[in-house]
Amino acid sequence: NAGVTQTPKFQVLKTGQSMTLQCAQDMNHEYMSWYRQDPGMGLRLIHYSVGAGITDQGEVPNGYNVSRSTTEDFPLRLLSAAPSQTSVYFCASSYSRLLFFGQGTRLTVV
Amino acid sequence: AQSVTQPDIHITVSEGASLELRCNYSYGATPYLFWYVQSPGQGLQLLLKYFSGDTLVQGIKGFEAEFKRSQSSFNLRKPSVHWSDAAEYFCAVGLNTGGFKTIFGAGTRLFVKA
Repeated sequence: NAGVTQTPKFQVLKTGQSMTLQCAQDMNHEYMSWYRQDPGMGLRLIHYSVGAGITDQGEVPNGYNVSRSTTEDFPLRLLSAAPSQTSVYFCASSYSRLLFFGQGTRLTVV
Repeated sequence: AQSVTQPDIHITVSEGASLELRCNYSYGATPYLFWYVQSPGQGLQLLLKYFSGDTLVQGIKGFEAEFKRSQSSFNLRKPSVHWSDAAEYFCAVGLNTGGFKTIFGAGTRLFVKA
């Protein structure tokens, strides 16, 4: 039972580069979300989706794009990476208001 | 604005001692309340939740939490800590505002000494 799978686990980017963080879930959950985790700040919601074709912004959406073409996948795109986006990123799916997290992607922007 | 406050950045307890991690929230209505735990290098795992009913809720690994409406608090407790409980603990609030969102506190890191 894979649950929520994130790839890659680690990534180093140069300032200005773009990339996509992948997230896939096999639990058929409608709701998915992306968080970033920074020391002393807990997890902050970036974007979320309540179903295929529907996305919305969270607390810290600037610099990130998302789309949801299928129930299973919810990729997060960094359009032009900045050092301030150095963080650990978590994808989660949700059922009955409970979050199920992936293992995270540690991103460093130099 | 809604917020979740965990006043203790880190706590150190001896193995076998009791534990209480504090959490306060700011929200107009009764929220959905959660505690999640994150072991080093891992994602977050649900410890327990409160939606309604009995204000003392039991979770996994021997943890419990008590919802106190008058204090806007949802403190996490464990009567006897084990070395394997060393982790970071996050209190979270679920809000029905334009779609269900979960807002997290900053976390409390628990250290357990032998």
